[in-house]
Amino acid sequence: KNEVEQSPQNLTAQEGEFITINCSYSVGISALHWLQQHPGGGIVSLFMLSSGKKKHGRLIATINIQEKHSSLHITASHPRDSAVYICAVLGGSNYKLTFGKGTLLTVNP
Amino acid sequence: ETGVTQTPRHLVMGMTNKKSLKCEQHLGHNAMYWYKQSAKKPLELMFVYSLEERVENNSVPSRFSPECPNSSHLFLHLHTLQPEDSALYLCASSQGYWTGGLSYEQYFGPGTRLTVT
Repeated sequence: KNEVEQSPQNLTAQEGEFITINCSYSVGISALHWLQQHPGGGIVSLFMLSSGKKKHGRLIATINIQEKHSSLHITASHPRDSAVYICAVLGGSNYKLTFGKGTLLTVNP
Repeated sequence: ETGVTQTPRHLVMGMTNKKSLKCEQHLGHNAMYWYKQSAKKPLELMFVYSLEERVENNSVPSRFSPECPNSSHLFLHLHTLQPEDSALYLCASSQGYWTGGLSYEQYFGPGTRLTVT
């Protein structure tokens, strides 16, 4: 069982919809990353957070350390948001970076 | 445009070939990483270099051999690979390496799509 679980695995939305992607983890962590991977492979780091909430444009990331849960929200979704969103946590007994399997988001016009 | 470049972008090699993947970062970072991404599996961290010293080797077979000649360049030398090694190989860099609870934002290259025949 992966230490980092993302849901849903696949998400299809209509342009303009509010999107939420969830990440749950089972180990104590020092930081959590949200990454975006577009078709073709390129990965972009969206957020790195260890508490609270961060906002960048239409993207919002929140984390609840007690519940071991993070969410990535996209407001007013757009087809260019279509990508795989990956959650990764730094922590655990051997202090390593562990990745979720990703959530494939498709936003239709 | 992330400041991290990788060459080649695509590579097809036979199981008896020897090839190398190259990564270069123009961000002045001190840590560099090799990741493997196979279909339907999470990203797997392979190697980490911090200040040109290998600090992590996550049980990677010896047919993969990393080299970090300086803080801007990272290589992955490949020899006698297996078909199951076919994957996207991603390089990344960060300002520092995660120690003492610090985590750094990672900047990824575009990846090399490797096919082993």
